[in-house]
Amino acid sequence: EIVLTQSPATLSLSPGERATLSCRASQSVNGYLAWYQQKPGQAPRLLIYEASNRAPGVPARFSGSGSGTDFTLTISSLEPEDFAVYYCQHRSNWPHNFGQGTRLEI
Amino acid sequence: EVQLVQSGAEVKKSGGSLKISCKGSGYFFDSYWIAWVRQMPGKGLEWMGSIYPADSDTRYSPSFQGQVTISSDKSINTAFLQWSALKPSDTAMYYCARQDDAFDTWGQGTMISVSS
Repeated sequence: EIVLTQSPATLSLSPGERATLSCRASQSVNGYLAWYQQKPGQAPRLLIYEASNRAPGVPARFSGSGSGTDFTLTISSLEPEDFAVYYCQHRSNWPHNFGQGTRLEI
Repeated sequence: EVQLVQSGAEVKKSGGSLKISCKGSGYFFDSYWIAWVRQMPGKGLEWMGSIYPADSDTRYSPSFQGQVTISSDKSINTAFLQWSALKPSDTAMYYCARQDDAFDTWGQGTMISVSS
């Protein structure tokens, strides 16, 4: 099974700064990589699918890139509401594992 | 509007059985996989398994194979997750999600608390 490793575990930044979150797969996921945001007490929310496609309603400051085994979620200028936990997930084959998450904190 | 509505929170004793539900609306239920995701208190997301309601094709994570059963009833647009013998370690929030290009729609979650 494919293992996803996210880094860093915690990222401490301020509003207005740029955030770069990484997700590395143990083998190629053929571009089938998604990113989710989860705030406390809420269900996860899809941000990015197939590595670089923004989900409907997701602000343009969120972007995804990468291919093969290395992927990045970038938030160009942090807003206060962006401080949350972010997960990557693949659907290249079964099981559709998640990464362990990156906590983005102020 | 595409929506998944899950059944309510449960408090159970160890060894008991349980079946929780996830009802879809606003889309053709048969045509999308439904996934179940566990989140233990303070922890990350774990994919448990998925079902395709049109033919009940079901895939499980190796971590959950044999521990839970995923099923669906397409006549009522509902997917289910069940346990035959709960353990305290099953205490968690459980989410269902519609699977298209990714998990694009999520249920509100069902909190399961299991005491010994």
